[in-house]
Amino acid sequence: DAMVIQNPRYQVTQFGKPVTLSCSQTLNHNVMYWYQQKSSQAPKLLFHYYDKDFNNEADTPDNFQSRRPNTSFCFLDIRSPGLGDAAMYLCATSKRAGGALETQYFGPGTRLLVL
Amino acid sequence: RKEVEQDPGPFNVPEGATVAFNCTYSNSASQSFFWYRQDCRKEPKLLMSVYSSGNEDGRFTAQLNRASQYISLLIRDSKLSDSATYLCVASSASKIIFGSGTRLSIRP
Repeated sequence: DAMVIQNPRYQVTQFGKPVTLSCSQTLNHNVMYWYQQKSSQAPKLLFHYYDKDFNNEADTPDNFQSRRPNTSFCFLDIRSPGLGDAAMYLCATSKRAGGALETQYFGPGTRLLVL
Repeated sequence: RKEVEQDPGPFNVPEGATVAFNCTYSNSASQSFFWYRQDCRKEPKLLMSVYSSGNEDGRFTAQLNRASQYISLLIRDSKLSDSATYLCVASSASKIIFGSGTRLSIRP
């Protein structure tokens, strides 16, 4: 009965080696988000999709890309991971109704380690 | 200045105590407010939404003051299991901003 699923839970990659993290949801929510969270810091929004509309945060590095092939799935691609990209990556979903973004539901996160 | 600011703590209080956290936000266009709880190395989980009139859920009470742009969370009769980081969230139609969180530690 998991609602937001992230795979893998732990990912080890090498410096500069592309990596893809995946997220899927069973809630049929129209908004999906990717956050980066480092130790003792707030989750930092990287980008979000409202249906197929992609919204990139101004300070998200070009190294981070995303794809949403359908309502249920969303991917985070890190083209050339650096040591500073080691973090927890959280996927979240919400409904957007009218002008308001509703409650977010988070997946368990993928912890990325860059060697 | 951060868009959502919280006292990082840690708050270290005895079991059974009452503890309160405040959070301020700078975006006057913020419409919805939430408190999330995050345990160590886990994802944030919704604790409660915050409504204009204030709302209560068991031992937890949330208040919103739009004029002063702050949100508060009160925990009564704290339990050991309340130990966590509490994240304040302010959202508008286009943005969701998290605070850095306030760490709470309940001691026996």
